[in-house]
Amino acid sequence: DIQMTQSPSSLSASVGDRVTITCRASQTISTYLNWYQQRPGKAPEVLIYGVSSLKGGVPSRFSGSGSGTHFTLTISSLQPEDFATYYCQQSYSTPDSFGQGTKLEIK
Amino acid sequence: EVQLVESGGGLVQPGGSLRLSCAASGFTVSTYYMSWVRQAPGKGLEWVSVLYSDGAGGNTYYADSVKGRFSISRDNSNNTLYLQMNSLRAEDTAVYSCARWVGASVYWYFDVWGRGTLVTVSS
Repeated sequence: DIQMTQSPSSLSASVGDRVTITCRASQTISTYLNWYQQRPGKAPEVLIYGVSSLKGGVPSRFSGSGSGTHFTLTISSLQPEDFATYYCQQSYSTPDSFGQGTKLEIK
Repeated sequence: EVQLVESGGGLVQPGGSLRLSCAASGFTVSTYYMSWVRQAPGKGLEWVSVLYSDGAGGNTYYADSVKGRFSISRDNSNNTLYLQMNSLRAEDTAVYSCARWVGASVYWYFDVWGRGTLVTVSS
């Protein structure tokens, strides 16, 4: 099974900051990498699929990059509604494993 | 409106069984890949199981942690997905959510999620 590892596990930042979250796969997953946002008490929502394709309605301040085993999610200018937990997920092979999550908190 | 609503969670003793339901509306469950994902209290997301669409053969797959104990199925007449959980352990305690798995070109992701139902395994 493919293991996904995110870093950092938590991150404090301010509105307007640029932040980057990293996700590493234990073996190559090509570009089969998704990012989800989960706000407290809510279901996860997909932000990005296929490394860099923004889901419809997702603000353009979100972007993704990478390939193989190393991937990043960048938020160019944090907004108050972006403080949440973010998960990467590989869809290269079953089981479609998730990273452990990165909690983005207000500084 | 496309929606998933889970039910059937509750408190169960170790070794017990529980069946979760996921009622779908706004789309036909049998034409999509459907999954269960769980989240233990204060923890991250864990993929549990997938059931392929009828058109893709209806195959099922499970996480190693639940293989042989959990069974995913659906009732097309009720447009409902199920998760039968047997031999439950304390480490199965989590909120269980169903989710729809969709493909965009060659990429797949969960596009619709339910709110989840809490399963607590404790004596």
